[in-house]
Amino acid sequence: EAEVAQSPRYKITEKSQAVAFWCDPISGHATLYWYRQILGQGPELLVQFQDESVVDDSQLPKDRFSAERLKGVDSTLKIQPAELGDSAMYLCASSLIEGSEQYFGPGTRLTVT
Amino acid sequence: DAKTTQPPSMDCAEGRAANLPCNHSTISGNEYVYWYRQIHSQGPQYIIHGLKNNETNEMASLIITEDRKSSTLILPHATLRDTAVYYCIVRVANRAAGNKLTFGGGTRVLVKP
Repeated sequence: EAEVAQSPRYKITEKSQAVAFWCDPISGHATLYWYRQILGQGPELLVQFQDESVVDDSQLPKDRFSAERLKGVDSTLKIQPAELGDSAMYLCASSLIEGSEQYFGPGTRLTVT
Repeated sequence: DAKTTQPPSMDCAEGRAANLPCNHSTISGNEYVYWYRQIHSQGPQYIIHGLKNNETNEMASLIITEDRKSSTLILPHATLRDTAVYYCIVRVANRAAGNKLTFGGGTRVLVKP
């Protein structure tokens, strides 16, 4: 069964450092999402791509976060500089088309010290 | 998207049916009810969704009341591996409205032997 791949699974970084996460969606899925999940809360959407275009980045803290999906396949989420409050699980999801069910990867757990 | 209300936690016995309620009294006519679950340290997993008819798949059944103001997810024979946080989400599934999933607090289900 096809799955969404994410790496790394765990990342520890010091505040003010840069960090990047990678996501490879299920093959053929045009829509890709990045969510952030703070411990004890539900995931919250950061950014949504349709192919290589950003559809929704209204909740992305653009002063420090950036996301790209250059060829419309895999995607990278970057934080620079990282802050203590960025400690969370970062989840990637994909769907075949907009509106269909989303499939999530295992996530990257970020700890900022 | 309409807001949902779920009990924060519930226990159920292994082998018995688990009935998870969700209230969505402000749901609109074009909004679907989606259920996802999140097992500890994993990404959310799609379970089932429906508009107004009851739905069943290999994982669960979804019962939506006639007025669509509430629904129940039924796990017919709960196993220990069904221990997870279950999220009830209401959203419009079309391109114009966007496709983000708005997660609430969910119900933490503990299946006991």
